[in-house]
Amino acid sequence: AQSVTQLDSQVPVFEEAPVELRCNYSSSVSVYLFWYVQYPNQGLQLLLKYLSGSTLVKGINGFEAEFNKSQTSFHLRKPSVHISDTAEYFCAVTQSPGNTPLVFGKGTRLSVIA
Amino acid sequence: GAVVSQHPSWVICKSGTSVKIECRSLDFQATTMFWYRQFPKQSLMLMATSNEGSKATYEQGVEKDKFLINHASLTLSTLTVTSAHPEDSSFYICSARDWAGLIPNSPLHFGNGTRLTVT
Repeated sequence: AQSVTQLDSQVPVFEEAPVELRCNYSSSVSVYLFWYVQYPNQGLQLLLKYLSGSTLVKGINGFEAEFNKSQTSFHLRKPSVHISDTAEYFCAVTQSPGNTPLVFGKGTRLSVIA
Repeated sequence: GAVVSQHPSWVICKSGTSVKIECRSLDFQATTMFWYRQFPKQSLMLMATSNEGSKATYEQGVEKDKFLINHASLTLSTLTVTSAHPEDSSFYICSARDWAGLIPNSPLHFGNGTRLTVT
């Protein structure tokens, strides 16, 4: 079985500062990893995904994440955050490229302070 | 790009009534759709997998008689919360993967969710 751990439930950060949202996963097989963002009362928007290849993945809105197999991590980073980045961020994993659902972490609330 | 439309976006109903939530894939066919439930400030929990033309697969602990799922076409799945109670109040989100382009690794596309409040 797979699981995802997002170590920080809340991360406050000042505007224009860098941020890292942590995500660790557990799986006995190869995995595919995703980061989604959720704004209040909305669905999820895909930020980026790791399927294979380069371990550094660039996504939308200036976010990037690095897949680290030895540490079973997939941390999300942004060098300079904006007020508009305030949202809930979810890390998710699936073990199959087939038609299987995602398993989500509990989410990290990013609050950007002016 | 692929879009999943969910309707209604919010609904308030009285205890004991039933509520239907629709999930449509607007520009692609989805043989499988997933229904998630999200409690306030918590993660998304998979409720069931909706399969076109067959019975849905429910996760452990989810009452299939309470949360009726129908996937009658390749573009529409519905979730009906029967005899709703206040504890059913939650945010329900559907998702689907676009298989039309034979891209097995394509990510899930999510609807914007339905906020259900049972009074």
